[in-house]
This record gives sequence, structure tokens and C-alpha cells, in this order.
Amino acid sequence: GEDVEQSLFLSVREGDSSVINCTYTDSSSTYLYWYKQEPGAGLQLLTYIFSNMDMKQDQRLTVLLNKKDKHLSLRIADTQTGDSAIYFCAESLPNQGGKLIFGQGTELSVKP
Amino acid sequence: ETGVTQTPRHLVMGMTNKKSLKCEQHLGHNAMYWYKQSAKKPLELMFVYNFKEQTENNSVPSRFSPECPNSSHLFLHLHTLQPEDSALYLCASSQRLAGGSSYNEQFFGPGTRLTVL
Repeated sequence: GEDVEQSLFLSVREGDSSVINCTYTDSSSTYLYWYKQEPGAGLQLLTYIFSNMDMKQDQRLTVLLNKKDKHLSLRIADTQTGDSAIYFCAESLPNQGGKLIFGQGTELSVKP
Repeated sequence: ETGVTQTPRHLVMGMTNKKSLKCEQHLGHNAMYWYKQSAKKPLELMFVYNFKEQTENNSVPSRFSPECPNSSHLFLHLHTLQPEDSALYLCASSQRLAGGSSYNEQFFGPGTRLTVL
């Protein structure tokens, strides 16, 4: 079946690294995405990774994909108070028209 | 206006009311989506439209009725809702529904916060 799971909360100090984890059940996932939702706003795509990649780096963001364990992580280096938000992991499956399966979201709280 | 807009941003309604949520996208996309976001739960996909045709209804109760008059506009008509329908309703759009294993970035609106009394 299709299931994406994330822990609900993460709290870090400003300047530390944050690591947000996600597990998924469908091994046929083609793309995996990280979306960010700031208070009072919709979701905004942060980054994505194609399933044949292990890692993708984009400035302060590093995405790691372990296909064997069906585990995805998002590392934010030098976390800032402006990074406080809810982070959603999502997967897309082949031949399902681009339908995205989302996790519950991880609320990241950055303390000064 | 740019991106995806939704109106109203907040809505309070009684269980016997009828109201509508509106979504408009200014991105030239052909696929539009309605999601329900409840606290601590995964986003629930409700409806999908591709080139104005409904392609998915995710077992949504009939008290929610979508309408897509053209590729830029999407409505969600509400009637006789229940308190458990209180949630943030998000609209999204994408270039089109992707076949095979294509990349599909969805662009989200800010949502309508719905409270049913």
C-alpha cells in the first residue's frame, strides 16, 4: 500500500543542523519531494530527488535517499529561525498521473 | 495576481449553510487539485481535474461537490457539513497530470481555513 510517515516534531538551536526523516512503503516511487509550509501559507516545493539518486545537495539542503530501507531525509545546515515551518515528505508513483502521497508533516521549531 | 490564489482565506459556517471555496491559478497549468489538511494527519487528496475533466474522487462524501469550469478555476461547493469537516482546504495546480514516471511539481495556494459550527 501507499504510506508515508514522518515524526511530528523536531526542535533545534539556531546554527545547528536539522535532520528531518521520512519513511515510505512503496518501492516503485519515482520522485520524492520535500515541501515546506510556513504559518498561514500553502506548501512550497523545497527540493526533490529522483529515485535513482542517493543524494542531492542544494545550498544548505541535503537530501539523502536510501532505497533499500525506503528512507528519505532532509538535512538543513546552519538552521535559522526563518526555517521554522512544517516540512512534508511526498512520493509520486508511476502510472498514477502524478498523484502525490504526503506524510503528516514534521513541525520544525528553531530556538535562538 | 500570480501563482495560486484561494478565497476566502477563512470561513465559518453552520451545518445547514451552503458555501463555496474558490481557487484560481495564473500559471497556465492544466491540472488542479483539492486537498484537505487536518492537524497531525497526512494531506488528503480529495479531487483531481485534468483539462477540466475530473480524474479522481478520493471517496469524498457528497456534501463536497467540486466544479472546474475551465483550467484556471476550481470550486469546492459545500453543503450540510459536519464539525469534523473543519480543516484547511488547499488547492494546487500542476502543468498536467503526468503519465509514466514523470516529475510533477504541484504549486499550492495559501488555503481556506474552514470552521463548521
